[in-house]
Amino acid sequence: DAKTTQPNSMESNEEEPVHLPCNHSTISGTDYIHWYRQLPSQGPEYVIHGLTSNVNNRMASLAIAEDRKSSTLILHRATLRDAAVYYCILRAAQGAQKLVFGQGTRLTINP
Amino acid sequence: DSGVTQTPKHLITATGQRVTLRCSPRSGDLSVYWYQQSLDQGLQFLIQYYNGEERAKGNILERFSAQQFPDLHSELNLSSLELGDSALYFCASTGTDSGNTIYFGEGSWLTVV
Repeated sequence: DAKTTQPNSMESNEEEPVHLPCNHSTISGTDYIHWYRQLPSQGPEYVIHGLTSNVNNRMASLAIAEDRKSSTLILHRATLRDAAVYYCILRAAQGAQKLVFGQGTRLTINP
Repeated sequence: DSGVTQTPKHLITATGQRVTLRCSPRSGDLSVYWYQQSLDQGLQFLIQYYNGEERAKGNILERFSAQQFPDLHSELNLSSLELGDSALYFCASTGTDSGNTIYFGEGSWLTVV
């Protein structure tokens, strides 16, 4: 399984944008980049995913580097409810397609 | 609400005992995944079933087993329980939407005493 590297923790202020980086230098051409987050005492929650192009949805934006070796999850205006552990995961397009979680980034939002 | 239902939500049992955790996937989802989350190990993939057949195996102990039934619900059986098996066990399912998003249940808290 291809590996991702994320900072252990990040901190931001409420109503400010947050950029969560992820490195995945061993990504293969068919791997999707998925982001999940886990709020305290809850199951992981899908945030966004992409393959090559930048993606936007109601929760966040995903910026993918041209060489696909890194990506950035962007929360445009953080709220206290965005405090969670964010996981960047590479997922194969075919086969078992299981998610292999790393340690993730613990995001703290200050009021 | 992800649509994935897990029971029981909480379970306390003694060492050496056996428990069964149950998962109902989202309607129509054929794939079911089981994950274990303990404080020191993070989220560990255990096993995946697809339409009743085992598809992938992760760090699942021999004392643990799982199956997926014809109605697509799944059960995770944990036997000869040890203190270290205390963890949160998540079930997840996936369908056929773009990117095959995986949806997680709220988990079953297992405490072994």
